[in-house]
Amino acid sequence: EDQVTQSPEALRLQEGESSSLNCSYTVSGLRGLFWYRQDPGKGPEFLFTLYSAGEEKEKERLKATLTKKESFLHITAPKPEDSATYLCAVSGGSNYKLTFGKGTLLTVNP
Amino acid sequence: DVKVTQSSRYLVKRTGEKVFLECVQDMDHENMFWYRQDPGLGLRLIYFSYDVKMKEKGDIPEGYSVSREKKERFSLILESASTNQTSMYLCASLRLAGAETQYFGPGTRLLVL
Repeated sequence: EDQVTQSPEALRLQEGESSSLNCSYTVSGLRGLFWYRQDPGKGPEFLFTLYSAGEEKEKERLKATLTKKESFLHITAPKPEDSATYLCAVSGGSNYKLTFGKGTLLTVNP
Repeated sequence: DVKVTQSSRYLVKRTGEKVFLECVQDMDHENMFWYRQDPGLGLRLIYFSYDVKMKEKGDIPEGYSVSREKKERFSLILESASTNQTSMYLCASLRLAGAETQYFGPGTRLLVL
């Protein structure tokens, strides 16, 4: 059974204070690891897909990296508008089902 | 841009009612999904469909059914709503061309009284 564990559950940063979110996973035959951002009361918004260990993707202040056991979402010099819940998910095997972690609630104070 | 729409943002129903949640995507995707999201439990897959009239159970299908008569539309049906089905329901559509990506709709927050 695929499993995804995200840590920490919640993270509070000051504006400009860089940090990282962790996503540990176990999956049979990784097809992809996905990062989403979710604002309160809204659907998840796609950020990145990573396919293999060593891969990195960047978008504005966010950078996602992947190893064989975990992924990190690095946030550089965050702004208050980066406040959201960040979700990690994996798909494995022969279908396209996603298994999600419970998310990290990020709060960036001005 | 992929657009996934859901028929209602908020819905209030009574126990025992039959409830229909509709999802429409405009990108000719074959694969569509229904999830529910609950505090402390995260997103859990209810059902998915990989083609018209084709469906497969997800992790928590009990109490739900689905219908996919047309490629762009995927409906979730609560046959007899119960209070433990109060939740946020999210529909997703899968793009395979390029980077494999599930795109989500805005969600329907369902309250069953």
